[in-house]
Amino acid sequence: DGGITQSPKYLFRKEGQNVTLSCEQNLNHDAMYWYRQDPGQGLRLIYYSQIVNDFQKGDIAEGYSVSREKKESFPLTVTSAQKNPTAFYLCASSIVALYYEKLFFGSGTQLSVL
Amino acid sequence: EDQVTQSPEALRLQEGESSSLNCSYTVSGLRGLFWYRQDPGKGPEFLFTLYSAGEEKEKERLKATLTKKESFLHITAPKPEDSATYLCAVQGDTNAGKSTFGDGTTLTVKP
Repeated sequence: DGGITQSPKYLFRKEGQNVTLSCEQNLNHDAMYWYRQDPGQGLRLIYYSQIVNDFQKGDIAEGYSVSREKKESFPLTVTSAQKNPTAFYLCASSIVALYYEKLFFGSGTQLSVL
Repeated sequence: EDQVTQSPEALRLQEGESSSLNCSYTVSGLRGLFWYRQDPGKGPEFLFTLYSAGEEKEKERLKATLTKKESFLHITAPKPEDSATYLCAVQGDTNAGKSTFGDGTTLTVKP
């Protein structure tokens, strides 16, 4: 079955540590996105990528970094510069970016600070 | 700047008690309004896309409608399995296809 796989489901970060969240898709979608969701709030865009080796900052990119070396993969690194990283992180994809397409989501990663 | 406001924040219904969820939006050049369903601890699942005022779409007990300023998600005779958070999102001309989400309405249906 085609879909988006996020791992791990739960992740704990120590003070000063960088952590990486994995996102893999087998839908052959061009565009991939990372969203952050805080309790009781909507989704806020962190980074997005329309094509391999290219990505753009979203609304809340500070303290995060991404790479897009393969079409299928879009990992997110939460750096030590992100002072409030506890949140639910969602990876999404769409067929073609900028063409008003629906999003397909992974099952999310819950990140907590130790 | 695109904005989406959903109301109410939470809604509790008895099984079979029909109601509506509201999504008010401000967007320059609406290109699409999207409804998603999100279960606790999971990613959102796509429900509907509406493109122009007057458009309606239905799926089982759900019906989505769109005007120039808001969208409604009508739930007819809900069942406990309809309990979830419902998210509304818009895409507009000036935001290059990126979605702006509301905070969601959490629906609880009691048997």
